[in-house]
Amino acid sequence: DSGVTQTPKHLITATGQRVTLRCSPRSGDLSVYWYQQSLDQGLQFLIQYYNGEERAKGNILERFSAQQFPDLHSELNLSSLELGDSALYFCASGPSGGKNEKLFFGSGTQLSVL
Amino acid sequence: AQKVTQAQTEISVVEKEDVTLDCVYETRDTTYYLFWYKQPPSGELVFLIRRNSFDEQNEISGRYSWNFQKSTSSFNFTITASQVVDSAVYFCALRDANSGYALNFGKGTSLLVTP
Repeated sequence: DSGVTQTPKHLITATGQRVTLRCSPRSGDLSVYWYQQSLDQGLQFLIQYYNGEERAKGNILERFSAQQFPDLHSELNLSSLELGDSALYFCASGPSGGKNEKLFFGSGTQLSVL
Repeated sequence: AQKVTQAQTEISVVEKEDVTLDCVYETRDTTYYLFWYKQPPSGELVFLIRRNSFDEQNEISGRYSWNFQKSTSSFNFTITASQVVDSAVYFCALRDANSGYALNFGKGTSLLVTP
């Protein structure tokens, strides 16, 4: 158990809908990362937050947004969902946000858009 | 541009065989970090090792060993005496200045160990 909690584990929704994925980092970790894993794109970095502030952005679509709250949990919001958004979404946390930090990953949220 | 290449898409071995998973990376930075993660069938990503660019010392942890060679930009992973429980997808990842704080993952190598 990595100590990173993601909910829900599975999500099935329809095109055009909006969903929210939730992540609780390991106790004491200030940094949260979101990744998308799909068969064709592999593991893609979406966005990083550190202590409530956005620190880095990757290949995140404009339809997607995220935030990190004062209690350090994070939410990833996906809107106007398309079939291609079906993927496994991972949250990871790290202690310091530094370049050498190792990330601890949650078990992921499997999103299916029908 | 692909920064981490794992050329082996799938590998199948029989239990107790040794197996090496290749990872070749590309970076212009002198300071960078390399990682290996394991993704078992259950789906979670499990951290295995981190290596910084100034530490070329090879590492051994039980049946696992890693060979870091800057001259060939490679960070290969060897499993000795493989076991069925080693069956998983293994990812190599790179973090450098250009990637900011993101881990750039390779496409992964799927390892199947059969009894």
